[in-house]
Amino acid sequence: KQEVTQIPAALSVPEGENLVLNCSFTDSAIYNLQWFRQDPGKGLTSLLLIQSSQREQTSGRLNASLDKSSGRSTLYIAASQPGDSATYLCAVSTGANNLFFGTGTRLTVIP
Amino acid sequence: KAGVTQTPRYLIKTRGQQVTLSCSPISGHRSVSWYQQTPGQGLQFLFEYFSETQRNKGNFPGRFSGRQFSNSRSEMNVSTLELGDSALYLCASSLDRALSYEQYFGPGTRLTVT
Repeated sequence: KQEVTQIPAALSVPEGENLVLNCSFTDSAIYNLQWFRQDPGKGLTSLLLIQSSQREQTSGRLNASLDKSSGRSTLYIAASQPGDSATYLCAVSTGANNLFFGTGTRLTVIP
Repeated sequence: KAGVTQTPRYLIKTRGQQVTLSCSPISGHRSVSWYQQTPGQGLQFLFEYFSETQRNKGNFPGRFSGRQFSNSRSEMNVSTLELGDSALYLCASSLDRALSYEQYFGPGTRLTVT
């Protein structure tokens, strides 16, 4: 069964700092990997989708990489802002056609 | 384009009752998936519907069921509610089978069972 782990569980950084969130998965047979953010009590907002054949995707200050063979993905956030404070979740899509989610990293950006 | 909508947003039910949650996907999306989110278990997949057919089901008891209509709207039903069913229920839609397409989530329905 696919297991997805995110490290660290929580992270506090001062505003303006660059940061990296990590995601690892046990089964490399994935179709894609998606990064989401979730604000308290809210639904998920899709940030980036990386297909299994891709190595990275970029959107604004966000850059996500995927190393399928080693079962790892990173989400890089440049010049962090207080509005980036949220829980970040990664999820992998498998042949079973559902998403397996990590436990999330709760990010706090301190003004 | 309107996003994924879920109704109701909040529900309070008592043990033993049943509940129906509704999800309207983004226009043109044919796949709808349901997830349960709890503090202890995180996000867990319930089931996926595509073209009115359940394509995949997670590891939940038969009390959890769903259906999809011809307009792609989906409903989820939970019968004989238990305290442990208290959770945020999220639905997600995608253009086609969720395998390779980005999934878009609704705001969720917060169910509290007392």
